[in-house]
Amino acid sequence: GQQVMQIPQYQHVQEGEDFTTYCNSSTTLSNIQWYKQRPGGHPVFLIQLVKSGEVKKQKRLTFQFGEAKKNSSLHITATQTTDVGTYFCAGRDNYGQNFVFGPGTRLSVLP
Amino acid sequence: DTEVTQTPKHLVMGMTNKKSLKCEQHMGHRAMYWYKQKAKKPPELMFVYSYEKLSINESVPSRFSPECPNSSLLNLHLHALQPEDSALYLCASSQDQQGAWNQPQHFGDGTRLSIL
Repeated sequence: GQQVMQIPQYQHVQEGEDFTTYCNSSTTLSNIQWYKQRPGGHPVFLIQLVKSGEVKKQKRLTFQFGEAKKNSSLHITATQTTDVGTYFCAGRDNYGQNFVFGPGTRLSVLP
Repeated sequence: DTEVTQTPKHLVMGMTNKKSLKCEQHMGHRAMYWYKQKAKKPPELMFVYSYEKLSINESVPSRFSPECPNSSLLNLHLHALQPEDSALYLCASSQDQQGAWNQPQHFGDGTRLSIL
Protein backbone atom coordinates (compact mmCIF):
# COMPACT_ATOMS: atom_id res chain seq x y z
CA GLY A 1 0.00 0.00 0.00
CA GLN A 2 0.84 3.64 -0.10
CA GLN A 3 3.62 4.80 2.21
CA VAL A 4 4.43 8.41 3.03
CA MET A 5 7.69 9.30 4.73
CA GLN A 6 8.95 12.60 6.08
CA ILE A 7 12.44 13.73 6.98
CA PRO A 8 13.77 14.83 9.30
CA GLN A 9 11.79 13.40 12.20
CA TYR A 10 12.92 16.24 14.47
CA GLN A 11 14.57 19.59 13.80
CA HIS A 12 15.88 22.06 16.34
CA VAL A 13 16.75 25.50 15.01
CA GLN A 14 17.75 28.85 16.42
CA GLU A 15 15.20 31.57 15.86
CA GLY A 16 15.94 33.25 12.54
CA GLU A 17 17.36 30.14 10.90
CA ASP A 18 15.66 28.47 7.97
CA PHE A 19 13.89 25.09 8.13
CA THR A 20 12.91 22.52 5.53
CA THR A 21 10.93 19.30 5.80
CA TYR A 22 10.66 16.76 3.00
CA CYS A 23 7.78 14.43 2.21
CA ASN A 24 8.18 11.34 0.01
CA SER A 25 5.49 8.96 -1.19
CA SER A 26 5.96 5.45 -2.51
CA THR A 27 3.21 6.09 -5.07
CA THR A 28 2.15 9.00 -7.26
CA LEU A 29 -0.15 11.37 -5.41
CA SER A 30 -3.24 13.04 -6.83
CA ASN A 31 -2.54 15.98 -4.52
CA ILE A 32 -0.72 16.78 -1.32
CA GLN A 33 -1.82 18.76 1.69
CA TRP A 34 0.25 20.20 4.53
CA TYR A 35 -0.97 20.57 8.10
CA LYS A 36 0.57 22.09 11.23
CA GLN A 37 -0.18 20.81 14.71
CA ARG A 38 0.94 22.85 17.68
CA PRO A 39 1.78 20.99 20.91
CA GLY A 40 -1.52 20.07 22.56
CA GLY A 41 -3.48 21.29 19.55
CA HIS A 42 -5.18 19.89 16.51
CA PRO A 43 -3.98 19.75 12.89
CA VAL A 44 -4.55 22.98 10.99
CA PHE A 45 -4.64 23.02 7.20
CA LEU A 46 -1.86 25.09 5.60
CA ILE A 47 -1.91 24.47 1.85
CA GLN A 48 -2.80 22.08 -0.94
CA LEU A 49 -0.70 21.37 -4.03
CA VAL A 50 -2.20 19.66 -7.04
CA LYS A 51 -0.07 20.27 -10.13
CA SER A 52 3.25 18.69 -10.97
CA GLY A 53 6.07 21.10 -10.10
CA GLU A 54 3.72 23.49 -8.32
CA VAL A 55 5.20 26.09 -5.95
CA LYS A 56 3.11 28.12 -3.52
CA LYS A 57 4.15 30.72 -0.99
CA GLN A 58 2.51 31.90 2.20
CA LYS A 59 4.56 34.70 3.74
CA ARG A 60 7.67 32.93 5.07
CA LEU A 61 6.47 29.45 4.00
CA THR A 62 7.25 27.98 0.58
CA PHE A 63 5.67 24.72 -0.56
CA GLN A 64 6.76 22.63 -3.55
CA PHE A 65 5.28 19.60 -5.27
CA GLY A 66 7.71 17.43 -7.21
CA GLU A 67 7.58 16.93 -10.95
CA ALA A 68 6.70 13.26 -10.50
CA LYS A 69 4.10 14.11 -7.84
CA LYS A 70 5.77 11.73 -5.41
CA ASN A 71 7.50 14.24 -3.18
CA SER A 72 6.96 17.62 -1.63
CA SER A 73 8.76 20.08 0.61
CA LEU A 74 7.94 22.84 3.04
CA HIS A 75 10.52 25.55 3.62
CA ILE A 76 10.27 28.18 6.34
CA THR A 77 12.48 31.25 6.05
CA ALA A 78 13.71 32.94 9.22
CA THR A 79 11.87 30.79 11.73
CA GLN A 80 10.02 32.33 14.65
CA THR A 81 8.97 30.79 17.95
CA THR A 82 5.40 30.73 16.64
CA ASP A 83 6.50 28.17 14.02
CA VAL A 84 6.94 25.52 16.71
CA GLY A 85 4.88 22.41 16.06
CA THR A 86 4.67 19.27 13.99
CA TYR A 87 4.31 19.61 10.24
CA PHE A 88 2.47 16.80 8.48
CA CYS A 89 2.12 16.15 4.79
CA ALA A 90 -0.94 14.16 3.72
CA GLY A 91 -2.11 12.83 0.42
CA ARG A 92 -4.10 10.36 -1.53
CA ASP A 93 -2.59 8.11 -4.14
CA ASN A 94 -3.90 7.93 -7.67
CA TYR A 95 -4.97 4.30 -7.42
CA GLY A 96 -6.99 3.92 -4.29
CA GLN A 97 -8.96 5.70 -1.64
CA ASN A 98 -6.15 5.79 0.86
CA PHE A 99 -5.62 9.20 2.43
CA VAL A 100 -2.50 9.01 4.52
CA PHE A 101 -0.66 11.39 6.80
CA GLY A 102 3.11 11.29 6.85
CA PRO A 103 4.74 10.72 10.25
CA GLY A 104 5.46 14.44 10.64
CA THR A 105 8.47 16.62 11.35
CA ARG A 106 8.61 18.16 14.80
CA LEU A 107 10.12 21.64 14.78
CA SER A 108 11.58 23.30 17.84
CA VAL A 109 12.67 26.93 17.65
CA LEU A 110 15.05 28.24 20.30
CA PRO A 111 14.71 31.96 21.06
CA ASP B 1 -10.86 28.76 17.82
CA THR B 2 -12.13 25.79 15.87
CA GLU B 3 -15.37 25.57 13.89
CA VAL B 4 -15.63 21.87 14.64
CA THR B 5 -16.74 21.24 18.22
CA GLN B 6 -15.99 18.00 20.02
CA THR B 7 -17.30 16.85 23.37
CA PRO B 8 -16.18 15.81 25.85
CA LYS B 9 -12.64 17.18 25.85
CA HIS B 10 -11.47 14.42 28.17
CA LEU B 11 -12.96 11.01 28.92
CA VAL B 12 -11.83 8.29 31.29
CA MET B 13 -13.68 5.01 31.06
CA GLY B 14 -13.38 1.42 32.13
CA MET B 15 -13.17 -1.46 29.69
CA THR B 16 -16.77 -2.45 30.35
CA ASN B 17 -18.27 1.03 29.97
CA LYS B 18 -20.29 2.41 27.07
CA LYS B 19 -19.71 6.02 26.13
CA SER B 20 -20.07 8.27 23.10
CA LEU B 21 -17.95 10.99 21.56
CA LYS B 22 -19.73 13.83 19.82
CA CYS B 23 -18.73 16.15 17.00
CA GLU B 24 -20.63 19.08 15.53
CA GLN B 25 -19.96 21.46 12.66
CA HIS B 26 -22.07 24.22 11.13
CA MET B 27 -19.99 25.00 8.05
CA GLY B 28 -22.32 23.10 5.72
CA HIS B 29 -19.70 20.44 5.13
CA ARG B 30 -21.05 17.13 3.87
CA ALA B 31 -17.99 14.99 4.64
CA MET B 32 -17.05 14.15 8.21
CA TYR B 33 -14.21 12.06 9.56
CA TRP B 34 -13.00 10.29 12.66
CA TYR B 35 -9.27 10.00 13.28
CA LYS B 36 -7.30 8.35 16.06
CA GLN B 37 -3.99 9.93 17.09
CA LYS B 38 -1.50 8.39 19.48
CA ALA B 39 1.16 10.53 21.12
CA LYS B 40 3.89 11.68 18.72
CA LYS B 41 2.16 9.92 15.80
CA PRO B 42 0.16 11.20 12.84
CA PRO B 43 -3.63 11.03 12.74
CA GLU B 44 -4.93 7.67 11.50
CA LEU B 45 -8.14 7.70 9.51
CA MET B 46 -10.90 5.56 11.03
CA PHE B 47 -14.18 6.44 9.32
CA VAL B 48 -15.49 8.78 6.65
CA TYR B 49 -19.10 9.85 6.23
CA SER B 50 -20.31 11.45 3.04
CA TYR B 51 -23.81 12.93 2.93
CA GLU B 52 -24.61 11.10 6.18
CA LYS B 53 -23.63 7.72 4.74
CA LEU B 54 -20.61 5.71 5.85
CA SER B 55 -18.25 5.62 2.89
CA ILE B 56 -14.98 4.48 4.39
CA ASN B 57 -14.27 2.16 7.33
CA GLU B 58 -10.53 1.62 7.68
CA SER B 59 -10.90 -1.86 9.20
CA VAL B 60 -11.76 -0.42 12.59
CA PRO B 61 -12.72 -2.92 15.32
CA SER B 62 -16.45 -3.21 15.99
CA ARG B 63 -16.04 -1.84 19.50
CA PHE B 64 -16.02 1.53 17.72
CA SER B 65 -19.38 2.34 16.15
CA PRO B 66 -19.84 5.57 14.20
CA GLU B 67 -23.13 7.32 13.62
CA CYS B 68 -24.10 10.36 11.59
CA PRO B 69 -27.60 11.49 12.66
CA ASN B 70 -27.57 14.49 10.33
CA SER B 71 -25.23 16.57 8.23
CA SER B 72 -23.97 18.57 11.22
CA LEU B 73 -23.43 15.80 13.77
CA LEU B 74 -21.10 12.86 14.03
CA ASN B 75 -20.95 10.44 16.94
CA LEU B 76 -18.54 7.68 17.86
CA HIS B 77 -20.00 5.07 20.17
CA LEU B 78 -17.52 3.21 22.34
CA HIS B 79 -18.03 -0.16 24.00
CA ALA B 80 -15.66 -2.65 25.60
CA LEU B 81 -12.55 -0.69 24.69
CA GLN B 82 -9.03 -1.88 25.41
CA PRO B 83 -6.20 0.06 27.10
CA GLU B 84 -4.45 0.39 23.72
CA ASP B 85 -7.45 2.41 22.50
CA SER B 86 -6.33 5.29 24.72
CA ALA B 87 -5.59 8.15 22.34
CA LEU B 88 -6.73 11.53 21.07
CA TYR B 89 -9.81 11.11 18.87
CA LEU B 90 -10.13 13.84 16.30
CA CYS B 91 -13.18 14.75 14.26
CA ALA B 92 -12.80 16.63 11.00
CA SER B 93 -15.06 17.92 8.27
CA SER B 94 -14.67 19.08 4.70
CA GLN B 95 -16.74 19.92 1.69
CA ASP B 96 -18.37 17.06 -0.18
CA GLN B 97 -16.64 13.71 -0.06
CA GLN B 98 -16.55 13.19 -3.80
CA GLY B 99 -13.94 15.86 -3.89
CA ALA B 100 -13.15 15.71 -0.20
CA TRP B 101 -9.59 14.59 -0.69
CA ASN B 102 -9.09 17.83 -2.61
CA GLN B 103 -10.58 19.92 0.15
CA PRO B 104 -9.04 21.21 3.37
CA GLN B 105 -10.06 19.26 6.44
CA HIS B 106 -11.11 21.27 9.47
CA PHE B 107 -10.29 19.51 12.71
CA GLY B 108 -11.85 19.78 16.14
CA ASP B 109 -9.77 19.99 19.30
CA GLY B 110 -10.30 16.28 19.91
CA THR B 111 -11.36 14.10 22.81
CA ARG B 112 -8.54 12.72 24.91
CA LEU B 113 -9.64 9.21 25.85
CA SER B 114 -8.11 7.10 28.59
CA ILE B 115 -9.12 3.48 29.10
CA LEU B 116 -8.51 2.05 32.54
